Amino acid sequence: RKEVEQDPGPFNVPEGATVAFNCTYSNSASQSFFWYRQDCRKEPKLLMSVYSSGNEDGRFTAQLNRASQYISLLIRDSKLSDSATYLCVVNDPSNYQLIWGAGTKLIIKP
Amino acid sequence: NAGVTQTPKFQVLKTGQSMTLQCAQDMNHNSMYWYRQDPGMGLRLIYYSASEGTTDKGEVPNGYNVSRLNKREFSLRLESAAPSQTSVYFCASRGAGDTQYFGPGTRLTVL
Repeated sequence: RKEVEQDPGPFNVPEGATVAFNCTYSNSASQSFFWYRQDCRKEPKLLMSVYSSGNEDGRFTAQLNRASQYISLLIRDSKLSDSATYLCVVNDPSNYQLIWGAGTKLIIKP
Repeated sequence: NAGVTQTPKFQVLKTGQSMTLQCAQDMNHNSMYWYRQDPGMGLRLIYYSASEGTTDKGEVPNGYNVSRLNKREFSLRLESAAPSQTSVYFCASRGAGDTQYFGPGTRLTVL
């Protein structure tokens, strides 16, 4: 079983729609959770950290469910510029490492 | 403030050649990382350095060596390149709260 699992997609979504991704993780001791965005052939960039209470940043909302060990990302009113691969990331509390999901590809269509 | 820089951006090697990928960060971070990313796969950790003077193996260290030259610089060396090492290589440094910041990557092709 992979330590961080994501649906690879692609999710093809019309502009203006709402889209949600989930990610599951295996290490119940993990304490830090993130969503990163990666544009084609570019480096990953932090989209948002995920807190236990959930957090929102404009059109983006992240939720953490510790009991079920999953993280979600909701994008409202999607824009063409949201097209990217979204990476779910979880820390390994035994060392200084992050564990990366393979990413979910999102394509926003006009 | 450049963040994390990597050189070169692109490189083509022949099997058996050696090269060093350079990485530097100006954010005064202690921890630095080298990843490789292959199509359809997540980032895989090659080596990391928790602090100046220390290095540790990650998930896929075979065929690579690293040097943490000082707090700013962390280099990755391929002693004898193989086609299986064709990949995109990213360097990252770790800031507050486990957040990692990445360089622009090196696209390496081994023929």
